[in-house]
Amino acid sequence: AQTVTQSQPEMSVQEAETVTLSCTYDTSESDYYLFWYKQPPSRQMILVIRQEAYKQQNATENRFSVNFQKAAKSFSLKISDSQLGDAAMYFCAYSGAGSYQLTFGKGTKLSVIP
Amino acid sequence: KAGVTQTPRYLIKTRGQQVTLSCSPISGHRSVSWYQQTPGQGLQFLFEYFSETQRNKGNFPGRFSGRQFSNSRSEMNVSTLELGDSALYLCASRADRVSDTQYFGPGTRLTVL
Repeated sequence: AQTVTQSQPEMSVQEAETVTLSCTYDTSESDYYLFWYKQPPSRQMILVIRQEAYKQQNATENRFSVNFQKAAKSFSLKISDSQLGDAAMYFCAYSGAGSYQLTFGKGTKLSVIP
Repeated sequence: KAGVTQTPRYLIKTRGQQVTLSCSPISGHRSVSWYQQTPGQGLQFLFEYFSETQRNKGNFPGRFSGRQFSNSRSEMNVSTLELGDSALYLCASRADRVSDTQYFGPGTRLTVL
């Protein structure tokens, strides 16, 4: 079974600074997808960024980028120029290429300090 | 396009009762998945429906069931509610392929007293 581990239950960052959230996963599959979702206090789960395992290039989406290390099974999220609205729970998630479900990590609570 | 909608947003039930939650996917999406979120267990997959058929089921007791209608709307039902069923229930829709991203609704907060 696949597992996703987020080792940082909580993190904080100063507004306008950069923060990196860590995620590791365990799988025997070669083809899969990785995601970062954001869940603000409203509880609405919002997709931040996705990465296809077969792509070497790291995904970027405006201020959000990932560092995908396939051999190390690591998938970290970097948030640049942090804003107050970035404060939320961040979940790393895995989906196998032949799977219909997401496997989530326990989440990292990010606080942004003004 | 309108996003995924879930009704009701909040529910309070007592032990032993049953409950039905509803999810309307994004227009054109044929796959609907359900997840349970609790502080202790985190986010756990319940089941996924595609074209009115259950394609995949998580490790939950038979008290948890679901269905999908021809318009892709989905319902999940929990019978004989237990205190431990108190959770946020999230629905997610996906267009079709496994590679498509899942988009989530706002969730239904169920409290069992």
